[in-house]
Order: sequence, then structure tokens, then C-alpha cells
Amino acid sequence: AQSVAQPEDQVNVAEGNPLTVKCTYSVSGNPYLFWYVQYPNRGLQFLLKYITGDNLVKGSYGFEAEFNKSQTSFHLKKPSALVSDSALYFCAVRTLGGNTGFQKLVFGTGTRLLVSP
Amino acid sequence: DAGVTQSPTHLIKTRGQQVTLRCSPKSGHDTVSWYQQALGQGPQFIFQYYEEEERQRGNFPDRFSGHQFPNYSSELNVNALLLGDSALYLCASRSVGGQVGYTFGSGTRLTVV
Repeated sequence: AQSVAQPEDQVNVAEGNPLTVKCTYSVSGNPYLFWYVQYPNRGLQFLLKYITGDNLVKGSYGFEAEFNKSQTSFHLKKPSALVSDSALYFCAVRTLGGNTGFQKLVFGTGTRLLVSP
Repeated sequence: DAGVTQSPTHLIKTRGQQVTLRCSPKSGHDTVSWYQQALGQGPQFIFQYYEEEERQRGNFPDRFSGHQFPNYSSELNVNALLLGDSALYLCASRSVGGQVGYTFGSGTRLTVV
């Protein structure tokens, strides 16, 4: 079964410092990977996705993610964190359902990012 | 361009009651999926609708049912509510044949007391 794992429940970083939120995946075939962010009492906002091509994917709000096939990882990064980046971050993998070919997303458990002033 | 809209935003129900949540997909999208996000957890896939039919279903009991209308909007119904059904219910839409990935709504917060 396709799955992703987020090994850290929480990541703490000081404003202005680089941040990394970790994600590893377990899939058969080529992975389609996503990062979403969730602010309190809000839905999920799309940050970026990896389908194919360059291993470094650039997304919204200055975030980027590095796809590493040998380490089966898709870590989210930002060169300089902002206090407003504090939120819940989810990694997800696309799966195809049985005979239907319809897509669904399987999410990790989430990582809370706290950026201190 | 309106995104995915969900209603209501908050809801409080009593155990044993039934609830209906509503979702209007993003303009141009024809596929709707529903997810349940319990407190402190990642979203869990409930089911997906396309062309008014359920196309995939996650590991949820039959108390969870849905519907998709000709205008692509969708409803999620939950019968015989349990305390454990308290969660944020998220609707997501996409276009079959469109880009990979989903657009999510802001969710409906259901509290069962």
C-alpha cells in the first residue's frame, strides 16, 4: 500500500533560520507527492507537488521540496522561516484505486511547525 | 474564481442523530472527495464521487453515505452519530483528466455530544 511518514510531530525553528520538515514515502512505481499546509480551523492549502522532472520542486510562499529517490524522501524546506509559517504541514501521496483508476490522497500524520520570533 | 465551498462551517449534533454536510466543487471540477480529519491526525479518505456515482471508498462504515448532483456538488450524510464522529470534514475537488492533485475546502467542524 502507498503511504507516507512524517517522523516529527513538531519542528521548532527561529525566525530567519532555514527550516526542514521531513517526509518519507513508500510506494510502488513512480510517486506523486504533495505538501499541504493547514492553519488553525482552516482547510488544507496546496504548497507544491512532485510528479516528475527536477528533484527540487518550488512552491508557494517560498517553500520548496527535495525529492530523493534513493532515500525515498520528500522533505519540505524554506531558506528563511517566518513567524507566519507556523502551521500544521501534511505530506501526501497519490494512490490509484483498484480498477477505477481514480485518484485519492493518502496523508501523513502531520508536523506542527513553530517559528519563534 | 470560487474555490471549494463547504457548509455549514460548524455543527453540533447529539449522539444518534443524522447529519448532512454540503460541498460545492471548484468551478470546472467534476470529481469530489470527502475526508475526515480527527483532532491531531491527518485526513482520512471517506469516499469519492464522479458522474453521480461513488467511485472509491475508504475504510468507513455504511453509516457514512454520499451523493453527487448533476451540478457536481456533493453531500456527505452520517447516520447514527457517535462521539467518535467528531472531526473536521474536508471536501476536495479536481477535474478528471486535469492536473494531478486536489483543491480542498475549509471544512465543516462536526461536534457530536
